[in-house]
Amino acid sequence: QQQVKQSPQSLIVQKGGISIINCAYENTAFDYFPWYQQFPGKGPALLIAIRPDVSEKKEGRFTISFNKSAKQFSLHIMDSQPGDSATYFCAASKRNRDDKIIFGKGTRLHILP
Amino acid sequence: NAGVTQTPKFQVLKTGQSMTLQCAQDMNHNSMYWYRQDPGMGLRLIYYSASEGTTDKGEVPNGYNVSRLNKREFSLRLESAAPSQTSVYFCASSAIRTGTEAFFGQGTRLTVV
Repeated sequence: QQQVKQSPQSLIVQKGGISIINCAYENTAFDYFPWYQQFPGKGPALLIAIRPDVSEKKEGRFTISFNKSAKQFSLHIMDSQPGDSATYFCAASKRNRDDKIIFGKGTRLHILP
Repeated sequence: NAGVTQTPKFQVLKTGQSMTLQCAQDMNHNSMYWYRQDPGMGLRLIYYSASEGTTDKGEVPNGYNVSRLNKREFSLRLESAAPSQTSVYFCASSAIRTGTEAFFGQGTRLTVV
């Protein structure tokens, strides 16, 4: 029940296309859903996050869509660029609790120039 | 703004040797984490500390010990290194109580031969 399942494991998208990464969770106590971006040789860094009281959050070309009833959330990257090539992790946690962050297994995204 | 600092960045150990990975954060965060990252396995939690003086096992604690020396520092010790512990290790910290992001260090690339 603590798992966050992420798909696909790898993704290749043409420059200018839309990249979509999906995540699903089981524990309804989770109430904070961040996405992290990791470039080779670096640690992951927060990209965008959403709370379950909204269904969508957009920051520039990056959008999180959240479906509370289905317990799913996804990251959409519009107009994908070669600089977006990285590994992306979804995660879930509970606010206001001394509890750990649960990460998905990651998606390796490659944008073709 | 140093954030999360890990030392060393690279290390090669012989099987059976011991070593301690150091981690320090300057953001006054309560929660600190140690993860290992292996190809295709995502970020697996080794140990977690919700606050100074407390530690909890994560998904893959066997072969590791941790010490939360104070609020700033969280160290990871390998008592008798094994080739299976070859990995990239990341330390992270967060202020979970406010649902904010986790900040990661740059990682330690460890090879056990």
